[in-house]
Amino acid sequence: DTEVTQTPKHLVMGMTNKKSLKCEQHMGHRAMYWYKQKAKKPPELMFVYSYEKLSINESVPSRFSPECPNSSLLNLHLHALQPEDSALYLCASRPLGLGGTDTQYFGPGTRLTVL
Amino acid sequence: DAKTTQPNSMESNEEEPVHLPCNHSTISGTDYIHWYRQLPSQGPEYVIHGLTSNVNNRMASLAIAEDRKSSTLILHRATLRDAAVYYCILRLIQGAQKLVFGQGTRLTINP
Repeated sequence: DTEVTQTPKHLVMGMTNKKSLKCEQHMGHRAMYWYKQKAKKPPELMFVYSYEKLSINESVPSRFSPECPNSSLLNLHLHALQPEDSALYLCASRPLGLGGTDTQYFGPGTRLTVL
Repeated sequence: DAKTTQPNSMESNEEEPVHLPCNHSTISGTDYIHWYRQLPSQGPEYVIHGLTSNVNNRMASLAIAEDRKSSTLILHRATLRDAAVYYCILRLIQGAQKLVFGQGTRLTINP
């Protein structure tokens, strides 16, 4: 299994809703990432988890709450979002430790629309 | 992270070679040059990376200038499936966890 999966593919939510995005990989990668990508712009890093611990938070607003419950799973909990948070949310993973490489493997993304 | 500069867009014809340039004049000695591409409606995917020597793999070749201030991604025989946004990124090989994407080059392939 050499892929990163993300669910759902599309999500529409109101500003008062609470929803979660899910990312999963079974490649044994111990670094996992969330990126946000607005239309026709490059991806921007949001969070990095290393060995299931949050190692980088790029000053992301608290309405985005990441969680890494185990080495295969990464969640992004969403609450009280704004319309400007509408974007493609990308998950990525990377191997760490012995045999680790610098290559990140990306999922297809979740297209989020906030009404 | 050091900055990269790429043309906003390029156009080529199917089955012809494509040379995608990247300038990185502030590159440091420990920065690797990475290329990723993002096909329409997909996440980015790794293409190739190198430090000083030219590199080849099944997808592409990477030609690095002797002073390392620029590099060129070469697609030897473009197909319609190569139409994508190509990102040139500099990274420290050890410890750096972040990919900082520049604006990238949008490559159009004409049939």
